[in-house]
Amino acid sequence: AQKVTQAQTEISVVEKEDVTLDCVYETRDTTYYLFWYKQPPSGELVFLIRRNSFDEQNEISGRYSWNFQKSTSSFNFTITASQVVDSAVYFCALSEEGKAAGNKLTFGGGTRVLVKP
Amino acid sequence: DTEVTQTPKHLVMGMTNKKSLKCEQHMGHRAMYWYKQKAKKPPELMFVYSYEKLSINESVPSRFSPECPNSSLLNLHLHALQPEDSALYLCASNQGHGRETQYFGPGTRLLVL
Repeated sequence: AQKVTQAQTEISVVEKEDVTLDCVYETRDTTYYLFWYKQPPSGELVFLIRRNSFDEQNEISGRYSWNFQKSTSSFNFTITASQVVDSAVYFCALSEEGKAAGNKLTFGGGTRVLVKP
Repeated sequence: DTEVTQTPKHLVMGMTNKKSLKCEQHMGHRAMYWYKQKAKKPPELMFVYSYEKLSINESVPSRFSPECPNSSLLNLHLHALQPEDSALYLCASNQGHGRETQYFGPGTRLLVL
């Protein structure tokens, strides 16, 4: 069975500080996909990034960067120079390769990020 | 365009009412999903439709009845709900493969009195 753990339930920072969100996952699949979503108070889940299990290259996209380490089953996410608009709940999620019949996303418990001005 | 729309945004209903939630996407996606999210919890999968056929039902009570009239539309019919069914109901879509990102709508906030 798949499992995603986000050990941090809430993080509070002051604007312009960096924020790193931890995500640890468990799966028996050799091919899988990892996602980060942002959920602001409005409720909509906004897709941020996707990574597949056979590409451990870490990247930066604007103020977002991620660190995927297969050896430790971790997929951490960093917001650089945080802004008040980054305040939201962030979910890490895992998906199997699956068939073209719909795939189940396994979500972590979420980390609430509060950025204070 | 990665837009999924949902109506209504908010819904208040009594336990004897019948109501429906609607979801629409025009991205040509073949799989559509219903999730239920309680406060301070992650979304939980309810149903998946693939090519307009129900492919996954996560043992959801029969008072929730999904329907996929065509490849762009997904409905969730509600009848005889309980107060504990109050939640945010999210719709999502993708091409169906695990490698495909699911794109979510803004959700419907449901309150059952």
